[in-house]
Amino acid sequence: DAKTTQPNSMESNEEEPVHLPCNHSTISGTDYIHWYRQLPSQGPEYVIHGLTSNVNNRMASLAIAEDRKSSTLILHRATLRDAAVYYCILSGGGADGLTFGKGTHLIIQP
Amino acid sequence: SQTIHQWPATLVQPVGSPLSLECTVEGTSNPNLYWYRQAAGRGLQLLFYSVGIGQISSEVPQNLSASRPQDRQFILSSKKLLLSDSGFYLCAWNLGTGYGYTFGSGTRLTVV
Repeated sequence: DAKTTQPNSMESNEEEPVHLPCNHSTISGTDYIHWYRQLPSQGPEYVIHGLTSNVNNRMASLAIAEDRKSSTLILHRATLRDAAVYYCILSGGGADGLTFGKGTHLIIQP
Repeated sequence: SQTIHQWPATLVQPVGSPLSLECTVEGTSNPNLYWYRQAAGRGLQLLFYSVGIGQISSEVPQNLSASRPQDRQFILSSKKLLLSDSGFYLCAWNLGTGYGYTFGSGTRLTVV
């Protein structure tokens, strides 16, 4: 799987929007961009994924650059429960699973 | 709706004892199934995946094995546990390319 680059950590305030960046300059045309988050002592939780177009769901929005070499996960109004490690992962064809990196540790200040 | 079950939630086993962790998925058919491990303070490592009954692919050589006796059942086993097998074991499923992955709640294994 192609590699992604994320900041080690980010800090935001409660009730403010959060923009989590991800660079994936070697993305291939068939790679989907996935985002998951993991709270301490829990399994990863699916957040959102997309291929080319921006995506919205009840949890977040995914903004994908036109050249697909970067993307941004947007949490529209952060709460303390959004504090977690966020993983940006590329997943192409095949069933060989997700390759997790170190992710971004998101800290939410009250 | 689709759900994934993993048990037990926690397990403490002595070195040299056998291991069997079970994962079942409900509400879907022909899922791809996965076992991951997260050692303390480390990232998630893919151990095994399966695209169908009896079909197992191993990602890393190790002291563990996996089996898929039924479409929605995935089992992780060991004949003799090592201290290094301690960790947080997670089962996951998806329906293929273009679909998201759903993870179970995990089993925290401590080998003593």
